[in-house]
Order: sequence, then C-alpha cells, then structure tokens
Amino acid sequence: AQTVTQSQPEMSVQEAETVTLSCTYDTSESDYYLFWYKQPPSRQMILVIRQEAYKQQNATENRFSVNFQKAAKSFSLKISDSQLGDAAMYFCAYRSIFGNEKLTFGTGTRLTIIP
Amino acid sequence: EAQVTQNPRYLITVTGKKLTVTCSQNMNHEYMSWYRQDPGLGLRQIYYSMNVEVTDKGDVPEGYKVSRKEKRNFPLILESPSPNQTSLYFCASSQRTGGMNTEAFFGQGTRLTVV
Repeated sequence: AQTVTQSQPEMSVQEAETVTLSCTYDTSESDYYLFWYKQPPSRQMILVIRQEAYKQQNATENRFSVNFQKAAKSFSLKISDSQLGDAAMYFCAYRSIFGNEKLTFGTGTRLTIIP
Repeated sequence: EAQVTQNPRYLITVTGKKLTVTCSQNMNHEYMSWYRQDPGLGLRQIYYSMNVEVTDKGDVPEGYKVSRKEKRNFPLILESPSPNQTSLYFCASSQRTGGMNTEAFFGQGTRLTVV
C-alpha cells in the first residue's frame, strides 16, 4: 500500500516571501500521479498542482511549482511571492494509475502567512 | 456549473440515531467516493463506486454503508453512529479516464458531530 508523509504540521512565511512544503511518499509502482490540494478555512478542497511520475519536468502553475524527485520519492511544493490568500491547510496526495481512483493523502501542513 | 453537492453541511446527532449524508454530482461522472478527514490523519477513503450498482470498501469502511442506484447520487449512511465517527466528510467524483487530467471534484464537506 502507498503512504504519503508530510513532516511539517505547521509552517509560516512572511508575505511576499517563498516557502516550500515537503512531501515524501512510498510506492512500488513506477508510474503514478501526485497532487497538491489546498484547503482554506471554507473547507473546500482545491487542486493546486499535479504531476505525472513519468514526466521529468516539474509542474508549474503561476506562483506554485513542485520539485519532483522520483528516485527520492519526494514531491515538495514551492509557493513564491506568498499572499494572504495562500493561508490554508495543504495536502499532498498520491494516486495510482491502476484500479481504484483513490487518493492517498498526507496528514497536511497548515500554512500561515505573516503580513 | 460543475459541482458536487453535499447535504447537510453541519450535523449534530446522538449515538445510535441513523443518518444519511447525501451527495450529488452534475458532471455525469462514473466514479464517486467518500472520505473522512481527521486531525493528524489527513483524508481517508471510506467507500467508493466505479459506476451504478458497483461499490466497494475503501480504507476505513467500518460503520458506514453506501448505495449507488443512480449515477449522480452516492449517499453515505451511518446506521448506528458512534462518537468515533465525529469527523469532516467529503464526497468526491471524477471521470474514469485513468489519466492525470482526471481531476477529482470535491463537495463542500459535512461536519458531523456524534454525541
């Protein structure tokens, strides 16, 4: 079974600065998908960015980018130019390419933005 | 507007009183799933459905039931709720293409408290 680990329960960053959230995972599969979700106080789950394992190029979405290290099974999220609206719980998630479309989530990192 | 609708958003109930949390999606998605979110544990899959009349257990199915009589609806049933089922519940749906661009759409969440 796959597992996802987020070792930083809480992080904080000064507004306009850059912050990196860590995520590691364990799997025996060679191809899979990885995601970062944002959960603001409204509780809505919002997809931030996604990465397919066979693609070497790191995904980027505006101020959000990932550092995907397949051999190390690491998938960190970098937020540049942090804004107050980035304050949220962030979840890293894994999805196999086979069978059930289940997302396996990490335990989350709560990000605080300091004005 | 494409959406997953859960009801109710908040529910306080007593131990043993049967309840149903409804979930409906308007995107004609084949795949639907229920997750529960608990502090320090992230989101964990309860049950899923690959299509109408096809359901299966996720990682934490004990104490829950589901049904999928219509493609758009996937209710979660707690026949005898207990305090350890106090949690935040999410319904999600997606198209079953198996690809990375199969985005999971989440409902707004249901905060359940069992006293």
